Amino acid sequence: KNEVEQSPQNLTAQEGEFITINCSYSVGISALHWLQQHPGGGIVSLFMLSSGKKKHGRLIATINIQEKHSSLHITASHPRDSAVYICAVRGNYQLIWGAGTKLIIKP
Amino acid sequence: NAGVTQTPKFQVLKTGQSMTLQCAQDMNHNSMYWYRQDPGMGLRLIYYSASEGTTDKGEVPNGYNVSRLNKREFSLRLESAAPSQTSVYFCASSLDWGNQPQHFGDGTRLSIL
Repeated sequence: KNEVEQSPQNLTAQEGEFITINCSYSVGISALHWLQQHPGGGIVSLFMLSSGKKKHGRLIATINIQEKHSSLHITASHPRDSAVYICAVRGNYQLIWGAGTKLIIKP
Repeated sequence: NAGVTQTPKFQVLKTGQSMTLQCAQDMNHNSMYWYRQDPGMGLRLIYYSASEGTTDKGEVPNGYNVSRLNKREFSLRLESAAPSQTSVYFCASSLDWGNQPQHFGDGTRLSIL
């Protein structure tokens, strides 16, 4: 079993929909990262959080340390949000990466 | 603001050839990383340099070597390329080793025939 599991693997939605991407992990962590990989391949860090909730524009990230679970929400989704969203957790040593969720937003 | 710059962007090699992937960052970051990304898998750490003058193995170091040339530059070398090393390679940097966001280069798409 992978130490970081993301769901769903693929998600297609209509423009304007509220999007939720989930990340579950099985190890103790000091922080969790959410990143976005554009269709062209570039990777951008979105959030780093160790508790509670963070918001940036239409993106919201939450984490529940007790349940070892994080969610990334996108409000009022737009086709430019189409990308792969990656969760990574910081254990004792190195980042452990999820396989990513591929999101497609249709106009 | 260049951030993290990787060269080349694309490369095709024959089995057994060698090559070096270059990475430079202009953010005065202490830590640098090399990852590979394969279809359906998460990023996997090949090597990292927590600070200038140090390098350590990551999850998948076999077949690779690295050099932290100075604070800015961290290169990845394939001494004898194998088809299993066909992948997309990403260099990243962060301010320090620890809970810091990582900044990524655009990647190098490498094919080994």
